[in-house]
Amino acid sequence: EPEVTQTPSHQVTQMGQEVILRCVPISNHLYFYWYRQILGQKVEFLVSFYNNEISEKSEIFDDQFSVERPDGSNFTLKIRSTKLEDSAMYFCASSERTRIAGELFFGEGSRLTVL
Amino acid sequence: KQEVTQIPAALSVPEGENLVLNCSFTDSAIYNLQWFRQDPGKGLTSLLLIQSSQREQTSGRLNASLDKSSGRSTLYIAASQPGDSATYLCAVTGANNLFFGTGTRLTVIP
Repeated sequence: EPEVTQTPSHQVTQMGQEVILRCVPISNHLYFYWYRQILGQKVEFLVSFYNNEISEKSEIFDDQFSVERPDGSNFTLKIRSTKLEDSAMYFCASSERTRIAGELFFGEGSRLTVL
Repeated sequence: KQEVTQIPAALSVPEGENLVLNCSFTDSAIYNLQWFRQDPGKGLTSLLLIQSSQREQTSGRLNASLDKSSGRSTLYIAASQPGDSATYLCAVTGANNLFFGTGTRLTVIP
C-alpha cells in the first residue's frame, strides 16, 4: 500500500544549526503539507505546497522555515537556525486532491530535538 | 478561529465493549472532517473522511457521524479490541487550515 515516508526518524541538533527534514509523498499525490506536534500539544499546520509553490502557510512558518521539492519525489522542510522551541515531531502529509476535498495521508514523523 | 475539542481526553474500556468518541468544533463552516489514529511515537493513520455534505461514513467496526450544524462528530467503535488502543484525533478542514483536536487516548483492557 502506498505510504508517505519521512527521514530521519529522529534528529538531535544544537541550537542555531540548520536542519533538513525529508519526505517522499505518495507518488500520484499533488498536494503536500508539513505539520508539527509539540509534545503533549495539538497537531499544528505549518505549510501546504502545490505546483512547486507554497499555497498556504501558518503564522508558525516564519522566515527560518522553507520548503522545497528539489526533484520529482522528495519534499523537504528546512529550518535555518533551530531554536529550543522547534523541538517537536514534524509530520509530512500528502493528498491526491486539495485538502478541502481530499483525504490527507501522513508519514510516521521526524522527531526533532534541539539542545 | 476554529477550536476543536475532544471529550473525553482518556477512556478505558474492557475488551468487547462498544464505545463512542466525541469531537466538537466551534465554526460549522467546514469542508470535511477526518478521524485519525495515532499510536505512541508514531504518525497519523487516516481512519475515515466525512465530507461536509455527508452524515456518516463506515469502515469495518468504525462508524463516524457528522452533524455540521451543531458542530459535532462522533466516532463509534464496535466490539473494541486491545489493538484499538491508541489516541484518536479528529481534524476539521476550514477555508484555510486543517484544525486538530487534542485527541482521546483509548485503552482497551483485555
